[in-house]
Amino acid sequence: ETGVTQTPRHLVMGMTNKKSLKCEQHLGHNAMYWYKQSAKKPLELMFVYNFKEQTENNSVPSRFSPECPNSSHLFLHLHTLQPEDSALYLCASTIGGNTEAFFGQGTRLTVV
Amino acid sequence: KQEVTQIPAALSVPEGENLVLNCSFTDSAIYNLQWFRQDPGKGLTSLLLIQSSQREQTSGRLNASLDKSSGRSTLYIAASQPGDSATYLCAVTNQAGTALIFGKGTTLSVSS
Repeated sequence: ETGVTQTPRHLVMGMTNKKSLKCEQHLGHNAMYWYKQSAKKPLELMFVYNFKEQTENNSVPSRFSPECPNSSHLFLHLHTLQPEDSALYLCASTIGGNTEAFFGQGTRLTVV
Repeated sequence: KQEVTQIPAALSVPEGENLVLNCSFTDSAIYNLQWFRQDPGKGLTSLLLIQSSQREQTSGRLNASLDKSSGRSTLYIAASQPGDSATYLCAVTNQAGTALIFGKGTTLSVSS
């Protein structure tokens, strides 16, 4: 248990569905991140939030929509996804960008 | 653009062996380097964080070194155990200091 909790752990959704991934941290960190992990590829940074403000969007398609209502919670809203979006989605948090990162257990997403 | 490479991609050793995992990065202007462990289908667990001003860090049987000028880091595992079997990921902070850039990892299998 790292202090970063992601729900759900597994999600299967159709291409026309709308769903959301949730990440919560109780470490007092002020930066939160979404990463995508696909087979045979390095982890890909998707979004970065510092003090609830989005500071980085790594050219992510608009069918992925992040939301950060406060420093402890981060959401990833999903709509009209494609099968190639199936992957492990990981959330992480840090005190600042240059400090040790703590990751959640991830959400395994399957788009059918 | 920062790129991180890990060699080898996979490694199998008998229990008790000492081993070295390698990580290289293309841009030496990093803030820090972090080694993670990932078990199948799970999130990442932080093993060691080396600040750019440091040369090495140690935790138990693990020792990580950093040579920033040559763009290299190694993770040394002493007296390997079957429980060490996992994928080991190396990551460096990006130039903006806002997030981690990952390698593809080295998958380690330790047989008893």
